[in-house]
Amino acid sequence: DAGVTQSPTHLIKTRGQQVTLRCSPISGHKSVSWYQQVLGQGPQFIFQYYEKEERGRGNFPDRFSARQFPNYSSELNVNALLLGDSALYLCASSLDGSQPQHFGDGTRLSIL
Amino acid sequence: DQQVKQNSPSLSVQEGRISILNCDYTNSMFDYFLWYKKYPAEGPTFLISISSIKDKNEDGRFTVFLNKSAKHLSLHIVPSQPGDSAVYFCAASFTTDSWGKLQFGAGTQVVVTP
Repeated sequence: DAGVTQSPTHLIKTRGQQVTLRCSPISGHKSVSWYQQVLGQGPQFIFQYYEKEERGRGNFPDRFSARQFPNYSSELNVNALLLGDSALYLCASSLDGSQPQHFGDGTRLSIL
Repeated sequence: DQQVKQNSPSLSVQEGRISILNCDYTNSMFDYFLWYKKYPAEGPTFLISISSIKDKNEDGRFTVFLNKSAKHLSLHIVPSQPGDSAVYFCAASFTTDSWGKLQFGAGTQVVVTP
């Protein structure tokens, strides 16, 4: 079975632009979470979605938004990009949020 | 505010010896703790977890110990193998159904030498 897949793998944007990152969870998994990992730090929780509803939001500005589709895939949108948004963005899925999550390999976002 | 802390950024250990990774937390409301392992260019993979009602959980070469009064947990890897060279993250959650909203430490880079 395919694991959690994220696209694109790498992305380069400039300040002020907008970006959309995509995630396909493991088949059957209905919970999807997004994390931001800045170099030298651990992943920081951004959002969790379950059954297309937001179940949790971390301490991130409103420039960050996400959604989950009927097929349980998810998108993370970041507007008005700042240099500090440069990070590895990780998507993770689980059946319903009460099991250990499976992580994708991430999208490396670089802001110039 | 970092509520989960891994104060050792790196650890070098000889193959066959024990690796001990430490993690401290500040929020006494955390009820579950998980360890994840991450290789370069890959996402973290789940290793082992422990509930706050236990003080030890074992899975093969991996054992996690929890000291609630000290707000401290540790991961023991015995014996260490070259394939264990990776970054290890400690994570915490308040309930089982918040395992989708983990709080992670900064990680410890483990290098296992021959």
